Amino acid sequence: AQRVTQPEKLLSVFKGAPVELKCNYSYSGSPELFWYVQYSRQRLQLLLRHISRESIKGFTADLNKGETSFHLKKPFAQEEDSAMYYCALITYSGAGSYQLTFGKGTKLSVIP
Amino acid sequence: GAGVSQSPRYKVAKRGQDVALRCDPISGHVSLFWYQQALGQGPEFLTYFQNEAQLDKSGLPSDRFFAERPEGSVSTLKIQRTQQEDSAVYLCASSFTSGATDTQYFGPGTRLTVL
Repeated sequence: AQRVTQPEKLLSVFKGAPVELKCNYSYSGSPELFWYVQYSRQRLQLLLRHISRESIKGFTADLNKGETSFHLKKPFAQEEDSAMYYCALITYSGAGSYQLTFGKGTKLSVIP
Repeated sequence: GAGVSQSPRYKVAKRGQDVALRCDPISGHVSLFWYQQALGQGPEFLTYFQNEAQLDKSGLPSDRFFAERPEGSVSTLKIQRTQQEDSAVYLCASSFTSGATDTQYFGPGTRLTVL
């Protein structure tokens, strides 16, 4: 069964320190993965997707099929990065339907 | 332009009451999703519409949950005979096409509390 695991509920780092938010997935097909972010009092929004191989707000994520991971990284944390981060996997359920399967999320707190 | 909107933002219901939650997707968006987010959890899929067609309702927890999108725009999620376990934030998301990798834009959610 498809599953997304984010092992850390809370991650605290100092400003300027590197950040790594862990995400592991379980999926039998070819995975399509995303990171979503929710800042305080804002709605959930897309941060980045693996197929784009993009860097958004200094964040990158590399798909590692061997380790079934899609960890989110940033070399130098900023206070404005404090937010809730969700890793998500596209899963298909047939007849043209699909959905996002989310992990439980990791709350990142950047200490000034 | 305006993003996805949801109403009401907060709803308190007594156990056994029926509730209706509304979602206004971004104009012209083909795909519409409902997710349920319990406290401390990630969003969980409920149902998916492509225009007015409900292609997947496999995530609806029970037959007390019903969703519709009759004209392919506004959608309503109805919960009959609410139970305490229905307390959660209900999120609506829409995307421009039916492509799976298309960005899903989320609404602010409706926080339902069942007493």
